[in-house]
Amino acid sequence: DTAVSQTPKYLVTQMGNDKSIKCEQNLGHDTMYWYKQDSKKFLKIMFSYNNKELIINETVPNRFSPKSPDKAHLNLHINSLELGDSAVYFCASSLEHGERRGAEETQYFGPGTRLLVL
Amino acid sequence: AQSVTQLGSHVSVSEGALVLLRCNYSSSVPPYLFWYVQYPNQGLQLLLKYTTGATLVKGINGFEAEFKKSETSFHLTKPSAHMSDAAEYFCAVSYQAGTALIFGKGTTLSVSS
Repeated sequence: DTAVSQTPKYLVTQMGNDKSIKCEQNLGHDTMYWYKQDSKKFLKIMFSYNNKELIINETVPNRFSPKSPDKAHLNLHINSLELGDSAVYFCASSLEHGERRGAEETQYFGPGTRLLVL
Repeated sequence: AQSVTQLGSHVSVSEGALVLLRCNYSSSVPPYLFWYVQYPNQGLQLLLKYTTGATLVKGINGFEAEFKKSETSFHLTKPSAHMSDAAEYFCAVSYQAGTALIFGKGTTLSVSS
């Protein structure tokens, strides 16, 4: 009964290839996120979606394209992979998006996808 | 811009000793505050959080943290370290439900016997 799952867990690929990472949550949450953790373990937001609508789009190369077919899924497609894309990519979800304090703000993280570009 | 500072990238304690991991944030608006733990090759697990109400919050595995608005701090403590506490700890803030978490750079906790 995994809450937030990601596939694959490990991904080793050649420079220039195109790859996708899939994320699914079974928590009934409205909002999903992609974070990148670099080699120094620093975590930074890439994208977030609320009810399939793009909410946050940080300064990320156009080669990265998120897609949310429904509110339980948020996939990340990466074109023309570069060496610098090697990192751990985490998917997360939270209950809702809004200004009300007291709303459920906790973000639940998936196990991560370790991407290595050779 | 809002930021989170974790003092000490690496903290080493002996088993049974007090654990103190420091976190300060920069903001005039009280944020939501979180501590997450990451074990090797795993995802992030929520330890505890502060949103509103009581400023001393208790989390899992015997950890607790106190929100001090005057000091803009949210330090994490545990009275007695256990070997299984060795991991990477991240402090994070957000300012609205459903917005991005802003993370500190993390603190690696080592526990020796």
